[in-house]
Amino acid sequence: AQSVAQPEDQVNVAEGNPLTVKCTYSVSGNPYLFWYVQYPNRGLQFLLKYITGDNLVKGSYGFEAEFNKSQTSFHLKKPSALVSDSALYFCAVRDEGGGFKTIFGAGTRLFVKA
Amino acid sequence: EAGVAQSPRYKIIEKRQSVAFWCNPISGHATLYWYQQILGQGPKLLIQFQNNGVVDDSQLPKDRFSAERLKGVDSTLKIQPAKLEDSAVYLCASSLAGGGAADTQYFGPGTRLTVL
Repeated sequence: AQSVAQPEDQVNVAEGNPLTVKCTYSVSGNPYLFWYVQYPNRGLQFLLKYITGDNLVKGSYGFEAEFNKSQTSFHLKKPSALVSDSALYFCAVRDEGGGFKTIFGAGTRLFVKA
Repeated sequence: EAGVAQSPRYKIIEKRQSVAFWCNPISGHATLYWYQQILGQGPKLLIQFQNNGVVDDSQLPKDRFSAERLKGVDSTLKIQPAKLEDSAVYLCASSLAGGGAADTQYFGPGTRLTVL
């Protein structure tokens, strides 16, 4: 069965420092991976996705993510965090074996301190 | 481009009452999704429509939940009767194509349901 794990409930980082939000996945076929961000009382906003090709994917607001097939990971990164990046981040996976149903992780709350 | 619209934004009901949520997807988007997001969890797919046909409703509690997408545009999700465990945010999303691998979903702001 398809699954997504976000091992950290919360990540704390100082403004200006690099940030990483971790995500690992399990699928039977080729994975299609997504990151979304959720601000309070708002829906999920799409950040970036990996479908195929270059393992480093660049997305909105300066975020990027690296696909690592051997480690089945898709960690979200940003070189320099902003206070405004504080939000809830969701990793999601989809594959043909799951009928392309999107499976979301439980989310990681990011706090960026000024 | 207007985003996905949902109403109401908040709803409080007593258990055993019924409730309905409305969603208007992005214009031209063929696929529409309803998700349930319980506090502290990621969204869980309840039902997926492509145009006005159901693609996946395997996780929809059909004894109490129903959904329709008449004319392949707007959609309504209904709960009747509601239980305490239905308290959650109900998210609607839409995507341009048929929900395949690369299809990006765009989410509405959600409806926060509280069942007392």
